[in-house]
Amino acid sequence: GAVVSQHPSRVICKSGTSVKIECRSLDFQATTMFWYRQFPKQSLMLMATSNEGSKATYEQGVEKDKFLINHASLTLSTLTVTSAHPEDSSFYICSAVIRFQYNEQFFGPGTRLTVL
Amino acid sequence: KNEVEQSPQNLTAQEGEFITINCSYSVGISALHWLQQHPGGGIVSLFMLSSGKKKHGRLIATINIQEKHSSLHITASHPRDSAVYICAVLRSSNYGQNFVFGPGTRLSVLP
Repeated sequence: GAVVSQHPSRVICKSGTSVKIECRSLDFQATTMFWYRQFPKQSLMLMATSNEGSKATYEQGVEKDKFLINHASLTLSTLTVTSAHPEDSSFYICSAVIRFQYNEQFFGPGTRLTVL
Repeated sequence: KNEVEQSPQNLTAQEGEFITINCSYSVGISALHWLQQHPGGGIVSLFMLSSGKKKHGRLIATINIQEKHSSLHITASHPRDSAVYICAVLRSSNYGQNFVFGPGTRLSVLP
């Protein structure tokens, strides 16, 4: 099956710094990538939908100026958590879709962010 | 009320037991997925259903579109089945389609 990677897998940073998380589709071109957040013992929550070459669309309650998403190519989307705070500590997961086939999403392994 | 509900929330079983996890949803969907999330966090898609029943090894998934209900069954459960099982429904949005996730069912299978 299709493979999606995320980097880094784990990051610890100080409050106030910015963190960039990469999501790559390794063997296919992803027309759409989704970014999810998962707090401990909770389910995944969609943060934003990222279509290649256009601005990301954010879910209600997700600050677009805080969570910057760039989908500059068909194989790479980045999520930058700006001025991170401890409440941003979470598990961030991306998924990728081939040619708008939303039925079939391939998930990345996730990035665990801890903000001290 | 959440759009996607699962039961039970937690489940502990002895190895070899037959396990059922239920999912009910309240929105119109185009498909339903069962996902497996291991302790490390990685997610694997087990099934995609739009009608009927699917079987893969010891796993069986069914969906009843009229009743807005799906079940995931595990036969002859094994400790390696221990994971969180998540029901996710695919629904239309202003921007295409996206998943809405259930809260997950945490399964522990004891040897």
